Amino acid sequence: DAEITQSPRHKITETGRQVTLACHQTWNHNNMFWYRQDLGHGLRLIHYSYGVQDTNKGEVSDGYSVSRSNTEDLPLTLESAASSQTSVYFCASSVRGEVNRNEQFFGPGTRLTVL
Amino acid sequence: AQKITQTQPGMFVQEKEAVTLDCTYDTSDQSYGLFWYKQPSSGEMIFLIYQGSYDEQNATEGRYSLNFQKARKSANLVISASQLGDSAMYFCAMRVEDTGRRALTFGSGTRLQVQP
Repeated sequence: DAEITQSPRHKITETGRQVTLACHQTWNHNNMFWYRQDLGHGLRLIHYSYGVQDTNKGEVSDGYSVSRSNTEDLPLTLESAASSQTSVYFCASSVRGEVNRNEQFFGPGTRLTVL
Repeated sequence: AQKITQTQPGMFVQEKEAVTLDCTYDTSDQSYGLFWYKQPSSGEMIFLIYQGSYDEQNATEGRYSLNFQKARKSANLVISASQLGDSAMYFCAMRVEDTGRRALTFGSGTRLQVQP
């Protein structure tokens, strides 16, 4: 079955370290997204991609970067982790094209703690 | 910019009763989509229902229906015959079609607790 996976599911790191969160989907979706979830804020968009070599900044992109070298993967990198980046991170994907519903499918999330 | 407002941080409902979760949105765009997602305590995000801004009828998916009032910019989720398994966080979200951007803007969520 097609799916979207994230790894690791839990991560504890120290301030200043570089951290990479993996996201892998097997639906062959062109669109991929990274969100963070914090209490009282719902989910907020970090970065997104519409295809290979395409990346775009979302509302809360400072301190994060992504790269898209193939259709299946969109890794999220925290260049120098800060305590404010302690959060739950969700990866999502959706099909390309003008499909009305075109809902996003979400990964299981990664809980990141920065000490 | 788009904004989603969910004014009910928490709601209680008795099992088998209906419940309405409120969602209002703000956008100047004409073409947009509205979504509801469920997040149980296990953490995953589950798509529930979609309403397009040009859809004339309210969307329904099983026990879920979306009460779409375009002039009021509201997109309330109605859950009929609540079950204990409906206890979860519920998020309203919007995607603006005019810009071509396919990311979602989320509200802050409503925690629903179904009581036996």
